[in-house]
Amino acid sequence: SQKIEQNSEALNIQEGKTATLTCNYTNYSPAYLQWYRQDPGRGPVFLLLIRENEKEKRKERLKVTFDTTLKQSLFHITASQPADSATYLCASGSARQLTFGSGTQLTVLP
Amino acid sequence: DGGITQSPKYLFRKEGQNVTLSCEQNLNHDAMYWYRQDPGQGLRLIYYSQIVNDFQKGDIAEGYSVSREKKESFPLTVTSAQKNPTAFYLCASSILGGDAGANVLTFGAGSRLTVL
Repeated sequence: SQKIEQNSEALNIQEGKTATLTCNYTNYSPAYLQWYRQDPGRGPVFLLLIRENEKEKRKERLKVTFDTTLKQSLFHITASQPADSATYLCASGSARQLTFGSGTQLTVLP
Repeated sequence: DGGITQSPKYLFRKEGQNVTLSCEQNLNHDAMYWYRQDPGQGLRLIYYSQIVNDFQKGDIAEGYSVSREKKESFPLTVTSAQKNPTAFYLCASSILGGDAGANVLTFGAGSRLTVL
C-alpha cells in the first residue's frame, strides 16, 4: 500500500538557521506533494504544493524540493524564527483524497 | 470572511452515546472531508463527499456516519459502535478538480471529543 512518511522526531534549531524537514513516499509515484502547517489545537493550513515535474518551489522564506529518484520531498525554512515553531505535515494523493504523513514538530529556539 | 466552522470545539461524551459534530463552509467548495487525528499519527480519512447527497467511506469509516443534504454542511456522527472515539476531528473542504486535480484542503479549527 502507498505510504507517506515523515521523520517523527522533533526538530529543534536555533533562530536564524535553516530548518530542513523530510517527507518520503513508498509504493507509488505521486503527481504532487503538499505541505501544511499545524499549530497546537488548530487545523492544518496549506503552505505549498509541488508537482512531480517541478524540481523546486519557493514562497518567501519557504522552499520545497521534489526528488522522484529518491522518492523524497524536502521542506526548507530559511532564516527561521520562533514564530515558525509548529508541526509541518506533508500530504499526497488523488483528486478524491489526500494521505498525510504524521508530521514533524519544529521548534525554533530564540 | 470565507471559511469552515466546526462546532463544538470541545465535547465530552459518555460511553454508549452518539454525538454529532457540525461542519459548515461558506467557500462554495464542492468536496468536504472528515479526518481524525491522534497523537503521533497522521490525519486519517473517515468520510468524504464530492456532491450533495453522496459520500464515500475513507480508511476508518467504521463507527461513524455522515450526511450531505446541503452543499455547505457535512455533519459527522460518532456512534457508540466506534471503539475508541477520543480524538481530534478535523473537517476540510476543497474545490473539485482545482489545480489539475491537486486537492488543496481548507481545514476547520477542529473538534476535540473526549469519551468519559
